[in-house]
Amino acid sequence: QSVLTQPPSVSGAPGQRVTISCSGSSSNIGAGYDVHWYQQLPGTAPKLLIFGNSNRPSGVPDRFSGSNSGTSASLAITGLQAEDEADYYCQSYDSSLSGSVFGGGTKLTVL
Amino acid sequence: QVQLVQSGAEVKKPGASVKVSCKASGYTFTSYGISWVRQAPGQGLEWMGWISGYNGNTNYAQKFQGRVTMTTDTSTNTAYMELRRLRSDDTAVFYCARDPNSSGYYGDWFDPWGQGTLVSVSS
Repeated sequence: QSVLTQPPSVSGAPGQRVTISCSGSSSNIGAGYDVHWYQQLPGTAPKLLIFGNSNRPSGVPDRFSGSNSGTSASLAITGLQAEDEADYYCQSYDSSLSGSVFGGGTKLTVL
Repeated sequence: QVQLVQSGAEVKKPGASVKVSCKASGYTFTSYGISWVRQAPGQGLEWMGWISGYNGNTNYAQKFQGRVTMTTDTSTNTAYMELRRLRSDDTAVFYCARDPNSSGYYGDWFDPWGQGTLVSVSS
């Protein structure tokens, strides 16, 4: 059971917009700790997608965006493309555990 | 370019120890930290701990305290993660990843990641 809760799967057709939620608590996201997002393509290492809640590293398309509200965070992907099919993970710091925690991951299927 | 290259796959018996290396290049090793993350087959990501590239200070996840040791060698820009008393459920891919902080662990992001090292534990 992950400290941060993500939906196991989401799907969308090419060109559509999808969102992936990341639900936490008062000891992590709700305490104001930053949320970061990663994309993991099949058989590869995770890649940083969003850092500090809403910042994109150089090279990440602006189709990807992150936001926070209360004890939850969201990753939005617009203009869905076949190459976006991957697993997505959120990460934050948890003060009760004194360390980083990940969401369980969400598998995005492009229909 | 910034790169982390990890050591090769390992096969271990239950009760044994494994030591995985992570060689950094393309940046000033002592200005960053290194975190270790593991991923069991078909499962999600799990943070194991962090080590400062500057002074070797560590912050281990509670779950692994007493069983993991993270070290660095600044002469070769290499980080190491040793996990002891291996069990079959330790079978996983272990990743190292660069952390932007070397002074302390603040739950920052990981970028980039190493290619991963598969550790298989079986009798």
